[in-house]
Amino acid sequence: DTEVTQTPKHLVMGMTNKKSLKCEQHMGHRAMYWYKQKAKKPPELMFVYSYEKLSINESVPSRFSPECPNSSLLNLHLHALQPEDSALYLCASSQEVRLGYEQYFGPGTRLTVT
Amino acid sequence: QKEVEQDPGPLSVPEGAIVSLNCTYSNSAFQYFMWYRQYSRKGPELLMYTYSSGNKEDGRFTAQVDKSSKYISLFIRDSQPSDSATYLCAMRTNFGNEKLTFGTGTRLTIIP
Repeated sequence: DTEVTQTPKHLVMGMTNKKSLKCEQHMGHRAMYWYKQKAKKPPELMFVYSYEKLSINESVPSRFSPECPNSSLLNLHLHALQPEDSALYLCASSQEVRLGYEQYFGPGTRLTVT
Repeated sequence: QKEVEQDPGPLSVPEGAIVSLNCTYSNSAFQYFMWYRQYSRKGPELLMYTYSSGNKEDGRFTAQVDKSSKYISLFIRDSQPSDSATYLCAMRTNFGNEKLTFGTGTRLTIIP
């Protein structure tokens, strides 16, 4: 089973709202990732968690706040977003962050900020 | 110069044809190479994963890596309409850096 699940599938939110994206995997992977993907562009890395600790923050604005409550779950808390933040938000996981471990992606949450 | 170059297409081929998708890269530290398939409005799906130079085959898919030329390819034999998608190459170093560097993706359409 190489499944990464994400909820919700679609989200529309206003610029003053607070919402959260959720990601879950039950493959025993110890690395989890958040990516942002704009239309017709490749995914852009936002955050990496390794063993539930934040490993990489790719200079993402503070209106995006990641959280890893346990080894199977990854959240992305959203607050005061801008319309340009509208995108497909992808979660991925891999066995380890060390070299050689391929990443498996979830289906994504399509976010629209109005 | 981008670290990874990939022709964005679009590429249209008739059903049954052999498809060749390619990426070139400039960073000789890249050691791991992946191909992802992404259907419209879906997440990327890992297709192939290779480490060393040479060929790796999985069903109708063959991944080829030429590190001396910094060139990777994905071949699809007996292409099907269900292969219509965007194909992303991705690569990473062996420095323990978690970051994948993606190509821009090639949009492929298989015409029935």
